[in-house]
Amino acid sequence: DAKTTQPPSMDCAEGRAANLPCNHSTISGNEYVYWYRQIHSQGPQYIIHGLKNNETNEMASLIITEDRKSSTLILPHATLRDTAVYYCIVRGPGNQFYFGTGTSLTVIP
Amino acid sequence: SAVISQKPSRDICQRGTSLTIQCQVDSQVTMMFWYRQQPGQSLTLIATANQGSEATYESGFVIDKFPISRPNLTFSTLTVSNMSPEDSSIYLCSGQMNTEAFFGQGTRLTVV
Repeated sequence: DAKTTQPPSMDCAEGRAANLPCNHSTISGNEYVYWYRQIHSQGPQYIIHGLKNNETNEMASLIITEDRKSSTLILPHATLRDTAVYYCIVRGPGNQFYFGTGTSLTVIP
Repeated sequence: SAVISQKPSRDICQRGTSLTIQCQVDSQVTMMFWYRQQPGQSLTLIATANQGSEATYESGFVIDKFPISRPNLTFSTLTVSNMSPEDSSIYLCSGQMNTEAFFGQGTRLTVV
């Protein structure tokens, strides 16, 4: 079962940073936080993951709070092509990915 | 990374029939999974496809309805048996390599 809570929708102006929050208050010490996104009619696409340190790659940054009960995905300069549903996932003990309801991000011109 | 191909990409089937969906990965993956995504909904994990043994099903899913095979490290099939209109969904295959999971584009199934 999904262990994450996300707002159902968000808007972001094109060129601005998009900050997507996620709560995972029941996360265990060795469970990773993953972010995927799904653009309409496509399979989910990997964005980033982390355990307890902040992470950055060419797509995004992941900020995890010190108590690990929440995290924020940051898209530094949102474009129209970033419009998608973003899923925050805590990987299960058997390496399963349980998807929550996600956040529908709309980037506005 | 890994590329996952699913066949068919879409199908329209009569109720009471069965459809087998194939998932091919272009490299060996440690784990494979099958998901269902109903219209407007998130992804729901159906089962873990285990190589050479019976799949591990999530609560609410049973082998008689969704038999799964995984003969090797790059291939798996999911059968949707005795279909009803409620089975109309997108079915997605996922392969896991190291710490990352990769997804196919899905099979869009419509049952009439």
